[in-house]
Amino acid sequence: QVQVVESGGGVVQPGRSLRLSCAASGFIFRNFAMHWVRQAPGKGLEWVALISSDGDVKYYADSVKGRFTISRDNSKNTLFLQMNSLRGEDTAVYYCPRGMASGHYGGHYYDYWGQGVVVTVSS
Amino acid sequence: QSVLTQPPSVSGAPGQRVTISCTGGSSNIGAGYDVHWYQQLPGTAPKVLIYGNDNRPSGVPDRFSGSKSGTSASLAITGLQAEDEADYYCQTYDLSLSGSLFGGGTKLTVL
Repeated sequence: QVQVVESGGGVVQPGRSLRLSCAASGFIFRNFAMHWVRQAPGKGLEWVALISSDGDVKYYADSVKGRFTISRDNSKNTLFLQMNSLRGEDTAVYYCPRGMASGHYGGHYYDYWGQGVVVTVSS
Repeated sequence: QSVLTQPPSVSGAPGQRVTISCTGGSSNIGAGYDVHWYQQLPGTAPKVLIYGNDNRPSGVPDRFSGSKSGTSASLAITGLQAEDEADYYCQTYDLSLSGSLFGGGTKLTVL
């Protein structure tokens, strides 16, 4: 069955770095775009970043641009999120949902989500 | 402006019908991008309820339906049940962001 499992979260001080991983199984990973989506405590969902199936195309939310880097290793069925210069407002549950293409004009929806990983930025 | 606006909360009695609106703009819904809906139960990951404006994944009851018109979309839930109490989010693609855009979420309370 399709699964994505996030890991690598924890408590980190402001200004420090953290790397999240997302292990995928049950589908042909290299055929799908992948995303990171986060949810701050008590808040709504916020899209963070997108990477194309081959890893060549990457887009970021303005709130993380220049600080976060999305990447993937298709040989290991794994997605990553390198988070640098972390801030308090980055505190959230981070999800790595699979992107399913939708519509004539582009865009994705998310058909499989992991349980998420908690990142807490605090001194 | 890259914003999807949802009502913060809606409520209804068991058996009733409720709708949740999602209003966007010319860079997202109005540009023709599909709208998708997610249900998030407390303490769990979101689950797709409607994709591609009006399609239900297998396993989602036909009490849930979606529609889209112009720069807005709606999620309708009929025959409301206690288990439907959750947060609901709309999502689409936005040209200005070159990425996904989520609505602020709507908390559904079953009275």
